[in-house]
Amino acid sequence: DTGVSQDPRHKITKRGQNVTFRCDPISEHNRLYWYRQTLGQGPEFLTYFQNEAQLEKSRLLSDRFSAERPKGSFSTLEIQRTEQGDSAMYLCASSLTRGSGEQYFGPGTRLTVT
Amino acid sequence: AQRVTQPEKLLSVFKGAPVELKCNYSYSGSPELFWYVQYSRQRLQLLLRHISRESIKGFTADLNKGETSFHLKKPFAQEEDSAMYYCALVIQGAQKLVFGQGTRLTINP
Repeated sequence: DTGVSQDPRHKITKRGQNVTFRCDPISEHNRLYWYRQTLGQGPEFLTYFQNEAQLEKSRLLSDRFSAERPKGSFSTLEIQRTEQGDSAMYLCASSLTRGSGEQYFGPGTRLTVT
Repeated sequence: AQRVTQPEKLLSVFKGAPVELKCNYSYSGSPELFWYVQYSRQRLQLLLRHISRESIKGFTADLNKGETSFHLKKPFAQEEDSAMYYCALVIQGAQKLVFGQGTRLTINP
């Protein structure tokens, strides 16, 4: 296990299309977070899971966004009917509930909506 | 509302000079703060956290509750310190992070 992985690393899509991103956390980590980062800004929280339960969603997460973590392992983030404003870097992070709670980040998926 | 402010988007210093990256926060709870760093073409990674009071790569940061600040300091900058630095606040419970907008630090030779 070499850390948090995300797939794909880059995605170019046309406005109105649906896209799905995948995140594989560090294997023993029970918490998984999604963040979005736009140009010139720091990452912004979108949602998080503890095991398979989605415990919090940001107001940034419109109805077009949905996230799942079906077996408490990998997670997917789907964006339906993409808009140009969805263009951003989507970051995934994982952590343990106990201990320092340090979040380990993946490399991100860069989405460009044309 | 919780907020993290990094007033400088860009900071440029010469090698060997002292560095200070500013961070101010707003949070009604007991603050727990971090500095994350992103080197070129690498992922975001934790640099240090205030509760550990440790020095990492020569960097230190002290939490000042009176001034609601958590500035990052290094007495002698090195070229390999060039990177994007983010200050972040942990929201208790969910442990989600609230980030500042980041400061791009450039160390000139």
